[in-house]
Amino acid sequence: GAVVSQHPSWVICKSGTSVKIECRSLDFQATTMFWYRQFPKQSLMLMATSNEGSKATYEQGVEKDKFLINHASLTLSTLTVTSAHPEDSSFYICSARENEGIRGYTFGSGTRLTVV
Amino acid sequence: GQNIDQPTEMTATEGAIVQINCTYQTSGFNGLFWYQQHAGEAPTFLSYNVLDGLEEKGRFSSFLSRSKGYSYLLLKELQMKDSASYLCAVMDSNYQLIWGAGTKLIIKP
Repeated sequence: GAVVSQHPSWVICKSGTSVKIECRSLDFQATTMFWYRQFPKQSLMLMATSNEGSKATYEQGVEKDKFLINHASLTLSTLTVTSAHPEDSSFYICSARENEGIRGYTFGSGTRLTVV
Repeated sequence: GQNIDQPTEMTATEGAIVQINCTYQTSGFNGLFWYQQHAGEAPTFLSYNVLDGLEEKGRFSSFLSRSKGYSYLLLKELQMKDSASYLCAVMDSNYQLIWGAGTKLIIKP
């Protein structure tokens, strides 16, 4: 089945630094990837939708200059949390949808970000 | 607006059966998904319904009624490892997933 690889699984960084999270579709081409954030005991919150070769579409309230998304190829999307602060500490999950047909979204394994 | 409702938390006994309901109001409908999410992990796909009726897959079954905007996930022969959150999500007319807040299922021995 479809596999999405997400790295790193967890990261601890100092306040003010930037962190890059990678999401790769291993056995299919993902024209669209989705980035979610999940705080403890809450559901998934869509942050942005990225389409290969074009600018990401951000959800209301998500700062595009703080959460930089790049989808340079059909198999790779990256999320960079710039100038991270403790309130950015969360579980970040990417998800990809294959090019054709209506399919269940395939999720990456998630990245636990802790900003200290 | 778009809305997905499911109970916040449910408790059941090991070996029993539990039904998790989900009601939705969305702009268009291209299917309903159920996902399982263990604490600290990403969601994993359980089922997809786009036509009315019951889809059975082992111990798990999912039901859909499009006219009522209603679905349920039925878990049989509950095991301790079934303790998790269960997320209901609807794909709208733009093929975007609209997520429910999830139902935390607690299994007691």
